[in-house]
Parts: sequence; structure tokens; C-alpha cells
Amino acid sequence: KNQVEQSPQSLIILEGKNCTLQCNYTVSPFSNLRWYKQDTGRGPVSLTIMTFSENTKSNGRYTATLDADTKQSSLHITASQLSDSASYICVVSEDRDDKIIFGKGTRLHILP
Amino acid sequence: DVKVTQSSRYLVKRTGEKVFLECVQDMDHENMFWYRQDPGLGLRLIYFSYDVKMKEKGDIPEGYSVSREKKERFSLILESASTNQTSMYLCASSLWGVQETQYFGPGTRLLVL
Repeated sequence: KNQVEQSPQSLIILEGKNCTLQCNYTVSPFSNLRWYKQDTGRGPVSLTIMTFSENTKSNGRYTATLDADTKQSSLHITASQLSDSASYICVVSEDRDDKIIFGKGTRLHILP
Repeated sequence: DVKVTQSSRYLVKRTGEKVFLECVQDMDHENMFWYRQDPGLGLRLIYFSYDVKMKEKGDIPEGYSVSREKKERFSLILESASTNQTSMYLCASSLWGVQETQYFGPGTRLLVL
């Protein structure tokens, strides 16, 4: 069964610190993986997209990694800011049935 | 910039009422989607549409219907609202495929009493 598991469910860190969010998937055949950021009360916004051949992709202070062999991705946030407080959702695309599978998200709280 | 708007941010309805949620996108996208988002369950696809007057069931279509009469507009209809349809409803659009980046609206928080 195609699944996307994210960890941790929630995370609290101090402003200025770094953090890493995890996404493990069993989706096959794999097409691509996206990370979305969802601020409270708003819709998700795409941060990065990675295909099979890509290992790392950055978007400002956000860096996503992908290991297609172990079917794991991570989202690293550097020098966190209060505005990083949000839910981060991992979404994996499956190529055979043209479907996407959403993870349940990691809720990140940045404390001043 | 793609803009996806939803007709209401908050909505309160009574059990049995017919509810219309409307979504409009301004970037000529082919695909439009309706999701619901519940705590602990993440986003779940209700219906999507890949063209005008075309629709496909998602993972949880029961109790919902949709309408796409114009390319920019996609409506979600709750024929007879029930309390278990209390949720956050998110509309999204993408240029031409399910696997493309989706652009989301701000969401409608629906409470069914």
C-alpha cells in the first residue's frame, strides 16, 4: 500500500536553531516528492519538488534531500525564524495511477 | 502569481442543509481539486476535475458532488450536510496534471450543527 509517513508529528524549537523534518514513503513507482508549507488558517504552499535523480534542493533557508534507494526525504530548516511556525507536508507522486499521496504533516513551533 | 480564491473563510450550516462551496482560479489551469483536511488525517481528496464538465472521484467522494461549468470555477456541493462533514475544505488548481505543483486557496472552515 502506498503510504507517506512523517516524523515527528510536532516539534518545538527556539528561534535561530536548525531543525530537520523526516518523510518516509513506500510509494511505487515513484515520480516526484514535494514539500509544502501550510501556515495556520491558510492553504499549503509548495517549497520544493524533487525527482528521482535529485539528491538535494534548496529554497532559501529550506533544504530538501532525497534518498530514492531508502525512500526517505528530509527538510532541513536553517536559522529558524518565527515565520517558520507552520505545518510541513510531504507529498509523493505515484506514476502508475497518476496519484499523489499526502503525509499527515509535521507541526513546527518556533519559540522566541 | 496564481491566485485561488474560495467563496467563504467560515461557514456555519445546519444538518440537512444544502451547502455550496465555490472556488475560482485566475491562471487558466486545467485541473482543479477539492480536499478536506482534518486533524490527524491530513489532506484527503474528495473530487477533482481535469476539464470543464469533467470530474473524477477522489478518495472520499461520498456525500459530495461537484460542478465545473467554467474552466476557472469549481464548486463543491454537500447535498445534505451532516455533522461529520464539519471540516476545513481546501480547493487547489494545477496547470495540467495531478502530479504538478498544486496552488491552494485559503480554505473554508465549515461547521455543521
